[in-house]
Amino acid sequence: EVQLVQSGAEVKKPGESLKISCKASGYSFPSFWIGWVRQMPGKGLEWIGIIHPGDSDIRYNPSFQGQVIISASNSFTTAYLQWNSLKASDTAIYYCARYPIITQPDYWGQGTLVAVSS
Amino acid sequence: DIQMTQSPSTLSASVGDRVTITCQASQDISNHLSWYQQRPGKAPNLLIYDASNLKTGVPSRFSGSGSGTHFTFTISSLQPEDSATYYCQQYDNLPLYTFGQGTKLEIK
Repeated sequence: EVQLVQSGAEVKKPGESLKISCKASGYSFPSFWIGWVRQMPGKGLEWIGIIHPGDSDIRYNPSFQGQVIISASNSFTTAYLQWNSLKASDTAIYYCARYPIITQPDYWGQGTLVAVSS
Repeated sequence: DIQMTQSPSTLSASVGDRVTITCQASQDISNHLSWYQQRPGKAPNLLIYDASNLKTGVPSRFSGSGSGTHFTFTISSLQPEDSATYYCQQYDNLPLYTFGQGTKLEIK
C-alpha cells in the first residue's frame, strides 16, 4: 500500500530553522516525483516545487526559490522541505504528494502544520 | 506568470442539482489543466486531468471540458459528499504551476 506520512505539527519562532519530512512507503521511492504544496490559513493552494529522488532533479516555483529547500533521501525513502530562517508568513499547512508523472499527483500526505510566531 | 481566474468563489446548491465551475487562464494553456477537490481538514484530491480526463475511481458525475483559456468543471447530479472546495490548476508552465482561487461548494 502506498503511503506518505508527514512529520508532526511544529511551532517555531521567526528566524528559527525547520525541516519537515514526508516518509514514503509501499513503492519504489526513487522512481516517482515528490511535490510540495502550501496552504496558508483559510487560503488556497500554492505549488512550491518538486523533486525526483532518483536523480535529484528539483524544480522550484520561482516564488519559493531561495525561501525553501527541497531534498530527499533514498536511504530513508523520505522527502524534506526545509527553511533556514522562518517568517511569520510561513505559517501554513504543507502537503507532500507523489507524482507518477510530473503533472499528476496520485497519493498525498496528511499535511504538516507549521506555525511561526514570536 | 499564468493567472488562473476561477468562478464563482462560493456556490450553494441542492442535492441533485447540476453545478458548473469555470476557470479562465491568462494565456493559452492547451489542455494542461486539472481539477481538485479538497474537503475540510484533508489533502487535495485530483479528480480530472488534461482538462477532461477522469481519474480512475472518480465518480462519473464529475466532468471537465475546455481548452486554451476557458475551462469548465461540472457535477451532473450533486451529492451530499460533494460539499468541498474545488480548485483548478494549470501545469502548462513547469515549474510555475498555479491554482485558481478555489470554489467553496455548499449543499443547501
